[in-house]
Amino acid sequence: DQQVKQNSPSLSVQEGRISILNCDYTNSMFDYFLWYKKYPAEGPTFLISISSIKDKNEDGRFTVFLNKSAKHLSLHIVPSQPGDSAVYFCAATIYGQNFVFGPGTRLSVLP
Amino acid sequence: DTGVSQDPRHKITKRGQNVTFRCDPISEHNRLYWYRQTLGQGPEFLTYFQNEAQLEKSRLLSDRFSAERPKGSFSTLEIQRTEQGDSAMYLCASGGGLAGGRTQYFGPGTRLTVL
Repeated sequence: DQQVKQNSPSLSVQEGRISILNCDYTNSMFDYFLWYKKYPAEGPTFLISISSIKDKNEDGRFTVFLNKSAKHLSLHIVPSQPGDSAVYFCAATIYGQNFVFGPGTRLSVLP
Repeated sequence: DTGVSQDPRHKITKRGQNVTFRCDPISEHNRLYWYRQTLGQGPEFLTYFQNEAQLEKSRLLSDRFSAERPKGSFSTLEIQRTEQGDSAMYLCASGGGLAGGRTQYFGPGTRLTVL
């Protein structure tokens, strides 16, 4: 039973345009959501997070939107850069205990 | 460098051998997590410690797996009688405490290959 889903295995975007990565979850008890970026042979790097009491959080080029009624969150990257090419994981947790990760979306930013 | 560190970075072993991995968390963090990641998948939760107490273990963690965090600082993950299916990247993360909040930060991982 996948509690966190990322239904797009891959996404290609032109440099300078917006990248939108999507994530759906099933457990309404999740109270905190995170996005990580991962390069090959490295551990995931924390990007941005959002509490369930908010619907938007912004940090530089990265914005995360949360729609609790739809159990959906998205990560927007504007403008996209070639260095953003990586695998992006969505994760969710209850009280910072067990973190559940999605399967990831591979983003390719084309120059 | 004050990030999470893991040792070794790579381990090749023969089936049936025991292996032990070490994780040193960010010093201000009181929570420490272990994950396993295989190709094409997200990290799968294995276990988590708050200080020295192991508070949760995944059903994925068979009896061959054991983790410790004896003084609430570094942690070790031991796999006994390794099997080829244990080949994966083993990730450690830390978080919690005043500095970490609910975000967790990952180390570089230990890649295990079981021949």
